[in-house]
Amino acid sequence: EVQLVEAGGGLVQPGGSLRLSCAASGFTFSRYDMHWVRQATGKGLEWVSAIGAGGDTYYPGSVKGRFTISRENAKNSLYLQMNSLRAGDTAVYYCVRERIETVGLDAFDIWGQGTMVTVSS
Amino acid sequence: DIVMTQSPDSLAVSLGERATINCKSSQSVLYSSNNKNYLAWYQQRPGQPPKLLIYWASTRESGVPDRFSGSGSGTDFTLTISSLQAEDVAVYYCQQYYTISPLTFGGGTKVEIK
Repeated sequence: EVQLVEAGGGLVQPGGSLRLSCAASGFTFSRYDMHWVRQATGKGLEWVSAIGAGGDTYYPGSVKGRFTISRENAKNSLYLQMNSLRAGDTAVYYCVRERIETVGLDAFDIWGQGTMVTVSS
Repeated sequence: DIVMTQSPDSLAVSLGERATINCKSSQSVLYSSNNKNYLAWYQQRPGQPPKLLIYWASTRESGVPDRFSGSGSGTDFTLTISSLQAEDVAVYYCQQYYTISPLTFGGGTKVEIK
């Protein structure tokens, strides 16, 4: 079964750091572009970061310079290092797979259950 | 940024009736070299992660009931549920994947039973 399982969420103080992880199974992880998408409680979806199969990374302006996405193909794992956290980063963070292992963007076909990150003093 | 605007914010439809959700992008998401619209639709039921329904604006994901259909091109898109079922109560999001700088979602449309 194709599956993504996130871990590492929790309560952190403003200005603090947290590292999320995502364990992938049921598919050849190294061949797929992967993303993180977040959702604040009762709000919509916001794309947070992407990493290509080749290791190239992308971020929106809201997290650029604070968040770092990485992958370890030997462990079928995706990571999100989050630094300088703010109250506005409070959300459920989803690990997401692109639909097809090809060059270029595609829709997101596999989503994890998400891990909750709360930034509060 | 490509801004995705969905309408309405919410709608209530009777069981068995049609539900129509609109999504408008601030610039075209049609890639001329392959004539594909880089537009997807997702369904998010309460307490669940989003689920892919439609990609390339009109291609149904495997396993998605055929009462769900997508249409449109360029900047204007529609998700139609032809005969609403109880399990279709959810929030629906459109997303453009034409550009990663940044990838963007619509604000969501909540579908309820009338």
